[in-house]
Amino acid sequence: GAVVSQHPSWVICKSGTSVKIECRSLDFQATTMFWYRQFPKQSLMLMATSNEGSKATYEQGVEKDKFLINHASLTLSTLTVTSAHPEDSSFYICSARGFMGLAVRDTGELFFGEGSRLTVL
Amino acid sequence: DAKTTQPPSMDCAEGRAANLPCNHSTISGNEYVYWYRQIHSQGPQYIIHGLKNNETNEMASLIITEDRKSSTLILPHATLRDTAVYYCIVRGGNKLVFGAGTILRVKS
Repeated sequence: GAVVSQHPSWVICKSGTSVKIECRSLDFQATTMFWYRQFPKQSLMLMATSNEGSKATYEQGVEKDKFLINHASLTLSTLTVTSAHPEDSSFYICSARGFMGLAVRDTGELFFGEGSRLTVL
Repeated sequence: DAKTTQPPSMDCAEGRAANLPCNHSTISGNEYVYWYRQIHSQGPQYIIHGLKNNETNEMASLIITEDRKSSTLILPHATLRDTAVYYCIVRGGNKLVFGAGTILRVKS
């Protein structure tokens, strides 16, 4: 399967600072990327959908000014948690969908990154 | 996307087949059934997906009932490394919406 990489895998920051998490598709062009958040012992919650070159679409209840998403290229999307607070501490996971190699056909599968654990002190 | 119902947890003996059920009674004709699993503190891993025919790959088999209202994921010879949360997802559009999943514990 295709490879999606996240960086950093874990980060600790002080309350009030901003943190950027990167999501890269390593061997395919990701036309669409998704950002999820997962609290301990809970399922993944979809935060937003981003398409390359356009504004992200946020799920209900997710603050777009707090969770800034940029998808400026076909291989990179970033999530910035602005003015982080302890309640933003969570496991953030991205997934990507796109075109494999030279194929024009979108395979439809979603490939997930390894996740980034954010701890806000 | 249609909602799915899975048992919260299951146990399976190592080396035996693990059969994970999923109900999706409101599935519509163009929606696929996807299975992912998540091992602790990792991103979800794709397992298999299907529309109406049974599917098999190197990881698992997917059995979908004729009316498509339920399906079963089969891990033919479960190992300890298969202990994870298994998510059954019905998807027609772009997004994958995760439910609570089934915690599968494989025991020696």
